[in-house]
Amino acid sequence: KNQVEQSPQSLIILEGKNCTLQCNYTVSPFSNLRWYKQDTGRGPVSLTIMTFSENTKSNGRYTATLDADTKQSSLHITASQLSDSASYICVVSDRGSTLGRLYFGRGTQLTVWP
Amino acid sequence: EADIYQTPRYLVIGTGKKITLECSQTMGHDKMYWYQQDPGMELHLIHYSYGVNSTEKGDLSSESTVSRIRTEHFPLTLESARPSHTSQYLCASSEPARTGGNQETQYFGPGTRLLVL
Repeated sequence: KNQVEQSPQSLIILEGKNCTLQCNYTVSPFSNLRWYKQDTGRGPVSLTIMTFSENTKSNGRYTATLDADTKQSSLHITASQLSDSASYICVVSDRGSTLGRLYFGRGTQLTVWP
Repeated sequence: EADIYQTPRYLVIGTGKKITLECSQTMGHDKMYWYQQDPGMELHLIHYSYGVNSTEKGDLSSESTVSRIRTEHFPLTLESARPSHTSQYLCASSEPARTGGNQETQYFGPGTRLLVL
């Protein structure tokens, strides 16, 4: 069964601190992995996308890593801001269909306190 | 920010009512999707469309139906709402990536929060 597991389920950090969110997956075959940010009451917004050959990608204060051998990814947030409070969702795509089936994690709920 | 819109944003209705959730996008995307998301849970694909007059059921069984008469419009209908339909419904659209493969990015609408009493 293809699965995407995220940890921790929730995380509280102080403004200005760094944090790292984890994503483990068993999706096979693997096509790409995305990290989305979902603010409360909003739809997810794409942060990064990585293919098999990429092991790191940055988007401002967000840096995603991918280890396709161990099927693990992380999202590192540097110098957190209050606006970083959101759910961060890991999404893995397989190569098995023209639709590019997506497997969603349950997300990590990040809360940044002042 | 993506140009994809959903209405209503919030809806509270009684059991047995017929409802239609609207979704429209102005990006000219061929592919559109409907997801259902419960709090703290992953998104589940309930319907998708490759283009006009194309509709398919997703991974999660749903009593809802969809139509795709125009590229920009992908409404979802519940003929008789029940409390078990209470959830958040997210609409998304995507276009093929220039590099091909499965690297297309889905753009999500703000969602409709449905409460059926």
